[in-house]
Amino acid sequence: DTGVSQDPRHKITKRGQNVTFRCDPISEHNRLYWYRQTLGQGPEFLTYFQNEAQLEKSRLLSDRFSAERPKGSFSTLEIQRTEQGDSAMYLCASSLSETQYFGPGTRLLVL
Amino acid sequence: QQPVQSPQAVILREGEDAVINCSSSKALYSVHWYRQKHGEAPVFLMILLKGGEQKGHDKISASFNEKKQQSSLYLTASQLSYSGTYFCGTANSGYALNFGKGTSLLVTP
Repeated sequence: DTGVSQDPRHKITKRGQNVTFRCDPISEHNRLYWYRQTLGQGPEFLTYFQNEAQLEKSRLLSDRFSAERPKGSFSTLEIQRTEQGDSAMYLCASSLSETQYFGPGTRLLVL
Repeated sequence: QQPVQSPQAVILREGEDAVINCSSSKALYSVHWYRQKHGEAPVFLMILLKGGEQKGHDKISASFNEKKQQSSLYLTASQLSYSGTYFCGTANSGYALNFGKGTSLLVTP
């Protein structure tokens, strides 16, 4: 039974560049979540999908962030025109019921 | 609304007990507890749902007081492997979780 996987695990980019992260949920999990975590803080909710529908989006999520889950399986999170404040760990989680299982995360550093 | 966790940090000797608290100013539907080790993903410990009773497995258990909008995580006879940061995540409605700032736990030999 494979867990949630994320790719890449690390990403270094220059300010102003676009980046895209991928998340593959646990097989048959219909809900998929994106969170962001900075040093010394708990994960912060960004958005979630039920199947391919994006059902909730944090008000903190700027227009530079977009997420998709086109076929209800894997999901991508894109950040356009990255800023230094976007540096964080981006965590993906999936669930079939209320329990969310997290992936290893993608650590983003914006220079 | 971010839940408040206390204490912020605790140091234990192996075999000692600890309690970590989580409180919210809003009505809660569920409370989720996770442990995260440095550089790793949060690992699910347990979930307490509204109307549910105290839960536990092995030496880790938790309670959920709906009226006070509080939950507590109990670690008994701590082991070195319990070291890490513990987060509570709360759901008011829907599935998005609001996480506290975490409680750092260090168990020493």
